[in-house]
Amino acid sequence: DAGVIQSPRHEVTEMGQEVTLRCKPISGHNSLFWYRQTMMRGLELLIYFNNNVPIDDSGMPEDRFSAKMPNASFSTLKIQPSEPRDSAVYFCASSELGGQPQHFGDGTRLSIL
Amino acid sequence: EDKVVQSPLSLVVHEGDTVTLNCSYEVTNFRSLLWYKQEKKAPTFLFMLTSSGIEKKSGRLSSILDKKELFSILNITATQTGDSAVYLCAVEAPNAGNMLTFGGGTRLMVKP
Repeated sequence: DAGVIQSPRHEVTEMGQEVTLRCKPISGHNSLFWYRQTMMRGLELLIYFNNNVPIDDSGMPEDRFSAKMPNASFSTLKIQPSEPRDSAVYFCASSELGGQPQHFGDGTRLSIL
Repeated sequence: EDKVVQSPLSLVVHEGDTVTLNCSYEVTNFRSLLWYKQEKKAPTFLFMLTSSGIEKKSGRLSSILDKKELFSILNITATQTGDSAVYLCAVEAPNAGNMLTFGGGTRLMVKP
């Protein structure tokens, strides 16, 4: 069975550029989560969706970050404009609606120069 | 604010040793505690614990939860180099939907 699929695997771009990260959850999973992982702060939840609706975005650092889930099989996390401090590994995870465990994708390693 | 603390931060052992990783938590309410293993990429699910005193076991790995003292342990017996990873503990609280609060992790290195 296909797991959570994220793209791109790596992204290197200059500050000020727009960055779009993509996620395809496991089929049938109706909860989707975006996390950011850094050495300093560990794994932090940014936002999560149930049935394509954002439920809690209190972890989104600032207005430069936005996330959408236009349908049950696709979500994006966008950073505009990007800054060097956004450099991190971004994970997407999915689970059955309201349930556990969450299953993680392989992440996108983002470097902002 | 929900809080999850793992100890030790890092650990170096030799193959064949037994290790115990600790996770303590403070949450307003509690629903479940999960353990994940993270090697180079995605955290992979190991165990979910909801009841005190009931051991979950998978091969050389086992885990138990103490809801009175608010902690869990993850044991690995007869460690192998393939057990080298960061082990993450996370807690789910019902007042937070199905969000997880993660601890900082324990980095385990198993030497041949």
